[in-house]
Amino acid sequence: KNQVEQSPQSLIILEGKNCTLQCNYTVSPFSNLRWYKQDTGRGPVSLTIMTFSENTKSNGRYTATLDADTKQSSLHITASQLSDSASYICVVSEGSNYQLIWGAGTKLIIKP
Amino acid sequence: DVKVTQSSRYLVKRTGEKVFLECVQDMDHENMFWYRQDPGLGLRLIYFSYDVKMKEKGDIPEGYSVSREKKERFSLILESASTNQTSMYLCLSWGNTEAFFGQGTRLTVV
Repeated sequence: KNQVEQSPQSLIILEGKNCTLQCNYTVSPFSNLRWYKQDTGRGPVSLTIMTFSENTKSNGRYTATLDADTKQSSLHITASQLSDSASYICVVSEGSNYQLIWGAGTKLIIKP
Repeated sequence: DVKVTQSSRYLVKRTGEKVFLECVQDMDHENMFWYRQDPGLGLRLIYFSYDVKMKEKGDIPEGYSVSREKKERFSLILESASTNQTSMYLCLSWGNTEAFFGQGTRLTVV
């Protein structure tokens, strides 16, 4: 069964610290993996997209990694800011590109 | 710069009303999706469309229908709104290299 699991479910860190969010998937065939940031009450906003051949992609202080062999991805946030408080959602696209398998998200809270 | 526009940010409707949620994208994407998002349940797919006049049921289509008469517009219809359809509704426009959500519609059915 195609699944995407994210961990941790929630995370609280101090402003300025780094953190890493995990996304493990069992989707096959794999097409691409995206990370989204969703502020409360807003639609998700895309952070990165990674295909099978890419293993690292950065977007400012956000760096996503992909290990296609172990079917794991991570999102690393460097020098966190209060505005990073949000839910982070991982989605894997199945080969047809019509099937999107969503993770449940990680709720990140940055404390001053 | 707005790429995906949902017609309303907030809506309050009465039980039994017919409700239309509109989504418009300007990226010439073929694939569009409607999701609802509820606390603890994540994103759940209601319907999606991969071409004009084409539609496919998602995981929770009951109580909903959709319309895609033009490529840029994908409408979600609640035939007879019920209180359990109170939720955040999100439209997604999906291309090969980019994908954008609308700002979301918070629907409350009273």
